[in-house]
Amino acid sequence: GDSVTQTEGLVTLTKGLPVMLNCTYQTTYSPFLFWYVQHLNEAPKLLLKSSTDNKRTEHQGFYATLHKSSSSFHLQKSSVQLSDSALYFCALSDLGSWQLIFGSGTQLTVMP
Amino acid sequence: AQTIHQWPVAEIKAVGSPLSLGCTIKGKSSPNLYWYWQATGGTLQQLFYSITVGQVESVVQLNLSASRPKDDQFILSTEKLLLSHSGFYLCAWSRTGGARDTQYFGPGTRLLVL
Repeated sequence: GDSVTQTEGLVTLTKGLPVMLNCTYQTTYSPFLFWYVQHLNEAPKLLLKSSTDNKRTEHQGFYATLHKSSSSFHLQKSSVQLSDSALYFCALSDLGSWQLIFGSGTQLTVMP
Repeated sequence: AQTIHQWPVAEIKAVGSPLSLGCTIKGKSSPNLYWYWQATGGTLQQLFYSITVGQVESVVQLNLSASRPKDDQFILSTEKLLLSHSGFYLCAWSRTGGARDTQYFGPGTRLLVL
């Protein structure tokens, strides 16, 4: 069945440094990938989404490119801020599906 | 603008007691509705989805049930709570297009089962 893998459970960085959060997926269908961000005690909110191969998508300084050849959708930012500290989820759906499958999540902590 | 409201905000319940959680969407007709469960610090697990009034599909079995009595209302319930039901319950909605459409999450209900 479909699955999403996020390899880093916890990432701690100093403000101003770049970050990359890994996301790989498995599906036999045409994939739709999402990044959701969840701040402490809040609901998840959509950060990025894509279904187009090799096209970079950006929002609020974050960016990601769907690479179907490597089944990846890594999230990046060139300079993290304190307010970026949150739980980040990669999620997968596919054409015709009503199910959204979330990865295990990566807790990003940005230090001053 | 669309708004999503969940009730109650938090609950502390005893094992074996019944539970009913609610979700209401305002400002959007015929939304697709979803229930999710999240263990503390854990991932989100989709439980149910509903495309229309009176129709609910189960994604995973957790001794829970869901109903959609009105176009803008989604209810999650069980007759007997288990300790494993503790967690954060989130309702979400999307406009159309299945799960590839953006889902907008409500504020959630925190449940502690003792």
